[in-house]
Amino acid sequence: AQTVTQSQPEMSVQEAETVTLSCTYDTSESDYYLFWYKQPPSRQMILVIRQEAYKQQNATENRFSVNFQKAAKSFSLKISDSQLGDAAMYFCAYRRSGGSNYKLTFGKGTLLTVNP
Amino acid sequence: DAGVIQSPRHEVTEMGQEVTLRCKPISGHNSLFWYRQTMMRGLELLIYFNNNVPIDDSGMPEDRFSAKMPNASFSTLKIQPSEPRDSAVYFCASNRQGDTGELFFGEGSRLTVL
Repeated sequence: AQTVTQSQPEMSVQEAETVTLSCTYDTSESDYYLFWYKQPPSRQMILVIRQEAYKQQNATENRFSVNFQKAAKSFSLKISDSQLGDAAMYFCAYRRSGGSNYKLTFGKGTLLTVNP
Repeated sequence: DAGVIQSPRHEVTEMGQEVTLRCKPISGHNSLFWYRQTMMRGLELLIYFNNNVPIDDSGMPEDRFSAKMPNASFSTLKIQPSEPRDSAVYFCASNRQGDTGELFFGEGSRLTVL
């Protein structure tokens, strides 16, 4: 079974600084998707960024970027120029690729605090 | 476009009562997922449907939980009888097979069982 591990239950960062959230996963598949979701206090789950395993290039969305290391099964999220609105719980998630639809498996989450 | 719609947003009930949570997926999406979120266990998949058919219900805790999807635009998750340990936030999510794999989540239903 696939597992997703987020080893940092909590992280904090100063406003305007950079922070990196860690995620590792375990799978025997060669093709899959990886995601980072953000859950602010409103509890809405919001997609931050997506990475397809067959793509070597790391995904980037504005201030958010990932470091995808397929051989190491590592998928970290870097937030640059942190803003107060980035404070939230961040979840890493894995999904198999393929014809049928598959569930997302989530890590336990990292609570990010942004200090003014 | 309307997102995934869940109701109720909050439910407080007493132990032993029946609870029904409702979900309307995004129009055109053919897969629907029910997740439960607790502090201790994080986000757990309870069940998911493809084209209204349950595919994997291995996450359903026990017989007290049941889920249905009578048509493409509606699903229910029922707990009968409810217990205090069922207190959690229940999320519904949907997506379309062949898309980029992400799930679109509703705002969740917070259930408190006293």
